[in-house]
Amino acid sequence: NAGVTQTPKFRILKIGQSMTLQCTQDMNHNYMYWYRQDPGMGLKLIYYSVGAGITDKGEVPNGYNVSRSTTEDFPLRLELAAPSQTSVYFCASRPGTGDNEKLFFGSGTQLSVL
Amino acid sequence: AQTVTQSQPEMSVQEAETVTLSCTYDTSESDYYLFWYKQPPSRQMILVIRQEAYKQQNATENRFSVNFQKAAKSFSLKISDSQLGDAAMYFCAYIGGGSNYKLTFGKGTLLTVNP
Repeated sequence: NAGVTQTPKFRILKIGQSMTLQCTQDMNHNYMYWYRQDPGMGLKLIYYSVGAGITDKGEVPNGYNVSRSTTEDFPLRLELAAPSQTSVYFCASRPGTGDNEKLFFGSGTQLSVL
Repeated sequence: AQTVTQSQPEMSVQEAETVTLSCTYDTSESDYYLFWYKQPPSRQMILVIRQEAYKQQNATENRFSVNFQKAAKSFSLKISDSQLGDAAMYFCAYIGGGSNYKLTFGKGTLLTVNP
């Protein structure tokens, strides 16, 4: 199994540009998450989804949008990139059933907005 | 809201020695899970160990063990016989077992292993 796959791994954007960070998982997990990691700040939750068609805001949703049209995919959209969105972005998933609460992470996307 | 606090931004240990990383959390739930994740320079998030709050026995995974004090809301990680490959950022994390779907992370502790 590939697990959680994120693309791209690196990206440089100009202020005001838009882009979509892709995330797909092949484990049939119900729950998916987007986190951002700023230096010295740990991981902060941007958006999450508990199943196809259902999304909700996390801690820091401003400037981002998500969709969950299928179980496998959970793309994160940046509409008007700002320097404050320079960060490392992680997608994660977990089954959401039983007592297996372990999160499976993608390898991250390093985004710089200049 | 749940919070997770790691009070040690940086720690260092000599190779083969033992080190303990601290974590405290705040919650009103009785059912929850706690985790330690390791993030090496490769950036990959690696699960080190997990603890279910309803289990009194402390979790152990080879050289890694936890000291889970539920009443004190404390969840420390002990690394025995430290190895150079243990050098990484370590994150403590919490998730509620009920309708709370979100994993909350501490700010991390950067562990350096000296040869």
